Amino acid sequence: DAGVTQSPTHLIKTRGQQVTLRCSPKSGHDTVSWYQQALGQGPQFIFQYYEEEERQRGNFPDRFSGHQFPNYSSELNVNALLLGDSALYLCASSDTGTDTDTQYFGPGTRLTVL
Amino acid sequence: GDSVTQMEGPVTLSEEAFLTINCTYTATGYPSLFWYVQYPGEGLQLLLKATKADDKGSNKGFEATYRKETTSFHLEKGSVQVSDSAVYFCALRGTSYGKLTFGQGTILTVHP
Repeated sequence: DAGVTQSPTHLIKTRGQQVTLRCSPKSGHDTVSWYQQALGQGPQFIFQYYEEEERQRGNFPDRFSGHQFPNYSSELNVNALLLGDSALYLCASSDTGTDTDTQYFGPGTRLTVL
Repeated sequence: GDSVTQMEGPVTLSEEAFLTINCTYTATGYPSLFWYVQYPGEGLQLLLKATKADDKGSNKGFEATYRKETTSFHLEKGSVQVSDSAVYFCALRGTSYGKLTFGQGTILTVHP
């Protein structure tokens, strides 16, 4: 049973560029959440997708947007990149029907903005 | 809003020592509480959880008890191993769907 997968593993961009990160949830999971983890900090909630809709959003600007596809996979898009967007981006999946509490995390995508 | 405060680290222990990492929280209602572990270069793994007051979560020798009266969820292990070296995060899920609020993390290093 494959866990949560994310791509790419690492990414280097320059300021002002746009980036797309991808996430495939654990088999049977229908909900995807995204988190930003700055170096030495705990993860910060960006948003959550369920049934292809953004269900909840954290305190992140509109430059951060997302999408969920019918197969439950998800993308995180960040526009007009800033140096401060450099972080580990984590995707987590859960099953809203049986266990909303438990989120399973992927290995993350390390984004570096130069 | 919801918040989680963990004891400041790093924590350095010798193998077989007793471990305690303190965690306190602020939240409305009755949140679910979690401990996650992050090994170098990896994502987060759920270590244990508790969903109501006085529940005890346990896994791999680690334990934590949900204390509503002290708003705490301290992580303990009786005898740590070198392989337990990692970053430990306390987290809560409040009333808002699946949003997790994390503490700042505690780095644990165990020496042989």
